[in-house]
Amino acid sequence: DIQMTQSPSSLSASVGDRVTITCRASQGISNYLAWYQQKPGKVPKLLIYAASTLQSGVPSRFSGSGSGTDFTLTISSLQPEDVATYYCQKYNSAPCTFGPGTKVDIK
Amino acid sequence: QVQLVQSGAEVKKPGASVKVSCKVSGYTLTELSMHWVRQAPGKGLEWMGGFDPEDGETIYAQKFQGRVTMTEDTSTDTAYMELSSLRSEDTAVYYCATSVTTSWYFDLWGRGTLVTVSS
Repeated sequence: DIQMTQSPSSLSASVGDRVTITCRASQGISNYLAWYQQKPGKVPKLLIYAASTLQSGVPSRFSGSGSGTDFTLTISSLQPEDVATYYCQKYNSAPCTFGPGTKVDIK
Repeated sequence: QVQLVQSGAEVKKPGASVKVSCKVSGYTLTELSMHWVRQAPGKGLEWMGGFDPEDGETIYAQKFQGRVTMTEDTSTDTAYMELSSLRSEDTAVYYCATSVTTSWYFDLWGRGTLVTVSS
């Protein structure tokens, strides 16, 4: 099975900072990569699919890029409401593995 | 507006089985590809399995093969996930999740069902 890794596992940044999270697949998955945001005690929320397509209603400060094995999620200007854990997920084929998550908080 | 309404919290003893339901409203179940994802306390998201519309089969994560059964009742637009031989490590929130595009990313989630396994 293809393994998904994320880095860093956690980060702390100031409001307004640019934040980048990396997701890596152990084999190529083309652009079948989604990103989710999960706030404490809440249901996961889809942010991005097809590696770079912003889900409707998601603020434009979120963006995604990458293809093959290496992907990034960028928050262009971190806001207090962005405190959450972020997960990547491959969905080219089963199993639809999630990455281990990156916890983002405010410095 | 599509909604996924899950059944309530369960407490089970080790060795027992649990069956969680997920009722769809705003769409019919046949228009969706329903999946199940779980999250143990303080841990990440774990895909358990889901329906593959291309071949009409349900695919299970290898970890749960033989212990999990996912079924659908199209007459009531309700999906079910049954997990047997429960152990303490199965204590988790179980989510149903889907997409109206039938792709295997999930833009729709149920609110989750907490299953606690304890003697």
